[in-house]
Amino acid sequence: AQSVTQPDIHITVSEGASLELRCNYSYGATPYLFWYVQSPGQGLQLLLKYFSGDTLVQGIKGFEAEFKRSQSSFNLRKPSVHWSDAAEYFCAVGDTNAGKSTFGDGTTLTVKP
Amino acid sequence: DTEVTQTPKHLVMGMTNKKSLKCEQHMGHRAMYWYKQKAKKPPELMFVYSYEKLSINESVPSRFSPECPNSSLLNLHLHALQPEDSALYLCASSQDMAKANYGYTFGSGTRLTVV
Repeated sequence: AQSVTQPDIHITVSEGASLELRCNYSYGATPYLFWYVQSPGQGLQLLLKYFSGDTLVQGIKGFEAEFKRSQSSFNLRKPSVHWSDAAEYFCAVGDTNAGKSTFGDGTTLTVKP
Repeated sequence: DTEVTQTPKHLVMGMTNKKSLKCEQHMGHRAMYWYKQKAKKPPELMFVYSYEKLSINESVPSRFSPECPNSSLLNLHLHALQPEDSALYLCASSQDMAKANYGYTFGSGTRLTVV
């Protein structure tokens, strides 16, 4: 069965600092991988996705993620964090056969002034 | 139109009430989803509709009853809920259930409180 692990429950970074959120997945075939962001009281917004091709994918809001098959990882990065990036971040893996995605438990990002 | 619209945004209901949550999208997506999300937890899948037919029911209690009247609308009918059902209910859509690589478009959710 597919699974997603986000090792960091909570991360705090200073505004302007770089950010990396970790995601590890378990999936038998080529995975479809996603990062979503959720601001308090809101729905989830798709930041970026990977399913083939270039292993470095660019997303919205200045985010990027790198797929590393050898490490079963899909880490999210941003070179300079803004206060508005404070939110909950979810990594997810899509299962075409099952027709649904599995979400990680999420990482809460706090941005210090 | 690239949005999923959910109404109402907030709902307080008693345990004997009947209420409905509504979700609408006009992106031509053929798969629509209901998720339940508790505080500080990831979304939990409840139901999936594909081409207006129920494809997945994740063993959800019968007090939750989904309905897909047409390809743009998704309802969730609520009856005799329990306080533990209080949560954020999210609707999502995707181009096609079988094409998991497209990702989901989520609505902003309905915050449900059962008293």
